[in-house]
Amino acid sequence: DQQVKQNSPSLSVQEGRISILNCDYTNSMFDYFLWYKKYPAEGPTFLISISSIKDKNEDGRFTVFLNKSAKHLSLHIVPSQPGDSAVYFCAASPTSGTYKYIFGTGTRLKVLA
Amino acid sequence: NAGVMQNPRHLVRRRGQEARLRCSPMKGHSHVYWYRQLPEEGLKFMVYLQKENIIDESGMPKERFSAEFPKEGPSILRIQQVVRGDSAAYFCASSQNREGSYEQYFGPGTRLTVT
Repeated sequence: DQQVKQNSPSLSVQEGRISILNCDYTNSMFDYFLWYKKYPAEGPTFLISISSIKDKNEDGRFTVFLNKSAKHLSLHIVPSQPGDSAVYFCAASPTSGTYKYIFGTGTRLKVLA
Repeated sequence: NAGVMQNPRHLVRRRGQEARLRCSPMKGHSHVYWYRQLPEEGLKFMVYLQKENIIDESGMPKERFSAEFPKEGPSILRIQQVVRGDSAAYFCASSQNREGSYEQYFGPGTRLTVT
């Protein structure tokens, strides 16, 4: 049973435009969410996180939105750059500070120059 | 600025052999986690360790897999009598786990191939 779902396996976006990556979860006990970026042959790199007490968190070009009622979060990248091309994983955990991250299956983003 | 280090990066084992994967956490981190990624899948939690203690191994297969994080030295994930289904990328992560700093930082992974 996949508790964290990334239904789009891939996404292509033109350089300079907005990339929107989506993630849905089923467990209402999740209250801490993270996004990781992964390049081939490397480990995931932490990008941004959000606690359930917030609905938005911003860090430079990256913004994460959380809609608790819909059990949905999204990552916005504006403007998209070719170097953003990677696989993006969302992850969730039951409470802040809990170690057991549940990962989605990832979305491969390709930013076209 | 050493991040999480894992070695070897690639490991080839024949069926029935043992695989040992090593992980050195980031400086100042005392919590280590192991994840496994099968092809076309997300990362799956295996085990969480602190120095000399296994905190949660609920994601570890019941047989052939073990993990340790000794007082001195790296964390070790050990797979005995490997089978083809063990072929995967194994990632180690570490964290401080202090208030306000929960993010896990990942190493580059060890790609295990069982022939």
